[in-house]
Amino acid sequence: QVTLRESGPALVKPTQTLTLTCTFSGFSLSTSGMCVSWIRQPPGKALEWLALIDWDDDKYYSTSLKTRLTISKDTSKNQVVLTMTNMDPVDTATYYCARIHYGDPYYFDYWGQGTLVTVSS
Amino acid sequence: DIVMTQTPLSSPVTLGQPASISCRSSQSLVHSDGNTYLSWLQQRPGQPPRLLIYKISNRFSGVPDRFSGSGAGTDFTLKISRVEAEDVGVYYCTQATQFPSITFGQGTRLEIK
Repeated sequence: QVTLRESGPALVKPTQTLTLTCTFSGFSLSTSGMCVSWIRQPPGKALEWLALIDWDDDKYYSTSLKTRLTISKDTSKNQVVLTMTNMDPVDTATYYCARIHYGDPYYFDYWGQGTLVTVSS
Repeated sequence: DIVMTQTPLSSPVTLGQPASISCRSSQSLVHSDGNTYLSWLQQRPGQPPRLLIYKISNRFSGVPDRFSGSGAGTDFTLKISRVEAEDVGVYYCTQATQFPSITFGQGTRLEIK
């Protein structure tokens, strides 16, 4: 049974750095083809892809946010961590982690419940 | 990045009636391997997204057969043959042809009249 769960602060101040952790079970991120991605959703708005890390520790970032994002994994703990620097109120959103396979069929098959992060002083 | 454009943005539907959502991509979603990695997600109120359809027309495990997908190239459609109350939510198309630069449509809100 595959599960993912996001954790992190509910409230951060502007200019601070956000650190989110995705803890998963039911699969290994060392298995060839496995990837975990972060996606966010501002209140009432659409989904936005942020970053992805694959089984080979290759890392990919949204073009618009790449200077602020860092993704990493701890395979032994089944965790993927996302940091986002210089937080701003426009970064207020629910942040999701999701599993995706590299290669056919390339779909997000499992999602976490999401964690709402509010950026406010 | 590939831009995904959905229409309509809101769709009021009568229970038991069909519903249709369109999705257009800014460039062809045909991958170099010949497949088209266009998926549809459903997001019920207060819930995370859930995979419904992948590779244009394949229903994911557990998805009712009233959901179907079609299309090719840059134009795709999600159809619900007979809308049920549990179908209320927002539907997103998403492409992974340009993996890892994955993009989503802006979402279509399905509501009951």
